[in-house]
Amino acid sequence: DAMVIQNPRYQVTQFGKPVTLSCSQTLNHNVMYWYQQKSSQAPKLLFHYYDKDFNNEADTPDNFQSRRPNTSFCFLDIRSPGLGDAAMYLCATSRDPNEQFFGPGTRLTVL
Amino acid sequence: QKEVEQNSGPLSVPEGAIASLNCTYSDRGSQSFFWYRQYSGKSPELIMFIYSNGDKEDGRFTAQLNKASQYVSLLIRDSQPSDSATYLCAVNIASNYQLIWGAGTKLIIKP
Repeated sequence: DAMVIQNPRYQVTQFGKPVTLSCSQTLNHNVMYWYQQKSSQAPKLLFHYYDKDFNNEADTPDNFQSRRPNTSFCFLDIRSPGLGDAAMYLCATSRDPNEQFFGPGTRLTVL
Repeated sequence: QKEVEQNSGPLSVPEGAIASLNCTYSDRGSQSFFWYRQYSGKSPELIMFIYSNGDKEDGRFTAQLNKASQYVSLLIRDSQPSDSATYLCAVNIASNYQLIWGAGTKLIIKP
């Protein structure tokens, strides 16, 4: 089945220790997104790629970086995680400006 | 600032009744509107989208859009305990690839 896959599902890291989250898709969608979602809050868009064109939200901290080496894969790098970065990180894809399909998410814990 | 507002709830509805969820948006240029369901600890799942004024029905779900009053609603008929979740409203403003998200309404269906 076509899908959006995120690894790992749960990530525990130490304060300041870099972490990389991955997302892959078999939908062949040209747009990929990274969201951060904290409890009882709306998903917050961090970045999105339209094909290889990278779009960074103005309020996304520099601590967050992203890579998209090919259509299928996208990575989120958190260079120095702080306690405030503990959240669910959601990857989504879309083919047109409308429907976004989400992966299962990665729950990040920062100790 | 473009905003999407939802009552956070919780909204408690007896099993078998109609659940009514509402969402208002600030930008009159908004073009398409989405309802996502999110179970606790899971990622959002698209339920319905609507572009035109009026009603759109899909099984037990009906989306209603009123652009003049800038609100969109979701009705769930014959509510089931499995409908208990947070319902997120999202709005696409300019047919670009970004959605403006509400913080969600928590729905509880009581058996």
